[in-house]
Amino acid sequence: EAGVAQSPRYKIIEKRQSVAFWCNPISGHATLYWYQQILGQGPKLLIQFQNNGVVDDSQLPKDRFSAERLKGVDSTLKIQPAKLEDSAVYLCASSFSLGSYNEQFFGPGTRLTVL
Amino acid sequence: QKEVEQNSGPLSVPEGAIASLNCTYSDRGSQSFFWYRQYSGKSPELIMSIYSNGDKEDGRFTAQLNKASQYVSLLIRDSQPSDSATYLCAVNPPAGNMLTFGGGTRLMVKP
Repeated sequence: EAGVAQSPRYKIIEKRQSVAFWCNPISGHATLYWYQQILGQGPKLLIQFQNNGVVDDSQLPKDRFSAERLKGVDSTLKIQPAKLEDSAVYLCASSFSLGSYNEQFFGPGTRLTVL
Repeated sequence: QKEVEQNSGPLSVPEGAIASLNCTYSDRGSQSFFWYRQYSGKSPELIMSIYSNGDKEDGRFTAQLNKASQYVSLLIRDSQPSDSATYLCAVNPPAGNMLTFGGGTRLMVKP
């Protein structure tokens, strides 16, 4: 079974530029998550989708971050404009469903450097 | 107050010893608990999940949960240098599947 796919793996941009990350979850997984992991910290949840609907985006900085999962499968996370403090690894994860006993599996992540 | 707390380490153990990693959480109603391993430069990898009080064993790994004390631990028996990584504790709230992660404990297993 293929795992969670993410691209690109690395991205370097200058502040105020925009960037987009793509994620394809494990086949059959209805729930998709985007996390931000700053160096030396644990991942922090940004947004959670169930199929093509947003379940929780309370920690997403909506003035600059946006995410969509239009067809309920793959998802895109965008940052516009980027700030220096956005430098982090952006992790996508998926689980079979929403229930708290559903295990989450992570993709390889996208390492973003904002100069 | 942090919701999920872990000692950042590093925790250094000799090869073959038992490594004990600890995690406390603040939400008493939390239902499910997970341990992830993260090698440097890699993404988190799920190694254990536990949902009820007591011990759960999987190979060299044992997860222990004590909901009354709001405490989760991970024991690694016969530690190997390949176990050297950061171990992340993650906790789910009473409802839903929105993991809160601790900051992780860095484990170093010395040959």
